Amino acid sequence: NAGVTQTPKFQVLKTGQSMTLQCAQDMNHNSMYWYRQDPGMGLRLIYYSASEGTTDKGEVPNGYNVSRLNKREFSLRLESAAPSQTSVYFCASRPDATNEKLFFGSGTQLSVL
Amino acid sequence: GEDVEQSLFLSVREGDSSVINCTYTDSSSTYLYWYKQEPGAGLQLLTYIFSNMDMKQDQRLTVLLNKKDKHLSLRIADTQTGDSAIYFCAESIRPGTYKYIFGTGTRLKVLA
Repeated sequence: NAGVTQTPKFQVLKTGQSMTLQCAQDMNHNSMYWYRQDPGMGLRLIYYSASEGTTDKGEVPNGYNVSRLNKREFSLRLESAAPSQTSVYFCASRPDATNEKLFFGSGTQLSVL
Repeated sequence: GEDVEQSLFLSVREGDSSVINCTYTDSSSTYLYWYKQEPGAGLQLLTYIFSNMDMKQDQRLTVLLNKKDKHLSLRIADTQTGDSAIYFCAESIRPGTYKYIFGTGTRLKVLA
């Protein structure tokens, strides 16, 4: 069972470059999330998608865009990367509104120089 | 505002019990969770407790909730080296919404 798959696992960017982080889940989950994890700050929600076709901002959306391509895939785009976006990014999914459990991918470690 | 606080580090000897503590501020929390993160991996749900419960036990794990003091704890009995990880406390403010608030995580180190 693959669960939640994130690519790439590691990425180094220069300031101003763009890139897209990919996330796919094979569990037929409705909701998907993007979090960033920074030392001493826990996980902060960037964007989420409650269901296919909808996306909403979380706590820290500035500098990011998302696309819910279909029910399986939820991508996160950095249009012009900044050093403040150096972080570990996690994608998560949740079955439906009645199920509180989040399933996480293994993360993407991003460094912006 | 909503906030979840945890101590950053805990070190215990193998075979001892570990107690990881968490305090939260939002009294309307419905569910409270403990997630485990092993090195290089994502978070995995360990256990959760509904806000109208005081205690939940699951094998070596015991969750205690003091709603009056807004305090949550996770006790791991007979701690093993494989329990070394970061443990996150999280709360869900309203059921069926996206809003989960995560703590900063407690790094548990188990000494052989």
